[in-house]
Amino acid sequence: GQNIDQPTEMTATEGAIVQINCTYQTSGFNGLFWYQQHAGEAPTFLSYNVLDGLEEKGRFSSFLSRSKGYSYLLLKELQMKDSASYLCAVMDSNYQLIWGAGTKLIIKP
Amino acid sequence: DADVTQTPRNRITKTGKRIMLECSQTKGHDRMYWYRQDPGLGLRLIYYSFDVKDINKGEISDGYSVSRQAQAKFSLSLESAIPNQTALYFCATSDLGDTGELFFGEGSRLTVL
Repeated sequence: GQNIDQPTEMTATEGAIVQINCTYQTSGFNGLFWYQQHAGEAPTFLSYNVLDGLEEKGRFSSFLSRSKGYSYLLLKELQMKDSASYLCAVMDSNYQLIWGAGTKLIIKP
Repeated sequence: DADVTQTPRNRITKTGKRIMLECSQTKGHDRMYWYRQDPGLGLRLIYYSFDVKDINKGEISDGYSVSRQAQAKFSLSLESAIPNQTALYFCATSDLGDTGELFFGEGSRLTVL
């Protein structure tokens, strides 16, 4: 079966760096997405990786290793507003998105 | 105004009632989706449509039906609601661009008593 694994919850300190991991097993691969979702709100797009390596976008970076079925989202200079759930999703060979359950990130002052 | 609008935002209903959730978009996208989100679970696809004449079942279509009335409108119906359909429902759109990024509506919270 298809599976996306990410930690349920993480805690970090304001101003610090946090890495949220995502491992996947899917039938085929056509890209990996990270979305941010604040409590009670809609998910919003953060990043897309289809080739191995690091994609940097401001304070957020996303890394992909297709051979390892692994990605991480790196958040730098954490701010209180970064408290949210972070959703990892993989597009399979049928171009369907398979979603992880999300990682709830708690930022402490 | 939001690019993807869902109505109602909140609804409480009773078992056996028929419910319709509506979604409209101003993004001009051909592709529209309905997802449900439950605590501790990933988003699960109910139905999707790649254009007005195209309707496809997703992972969990049983108990649901959809109608694509126009490019901009995609509605989800629960013919006879049951308590385990209590969830947060999201409509989303995407275009044929490189990333297939999804644009979500604000969500419709449905409670079935």
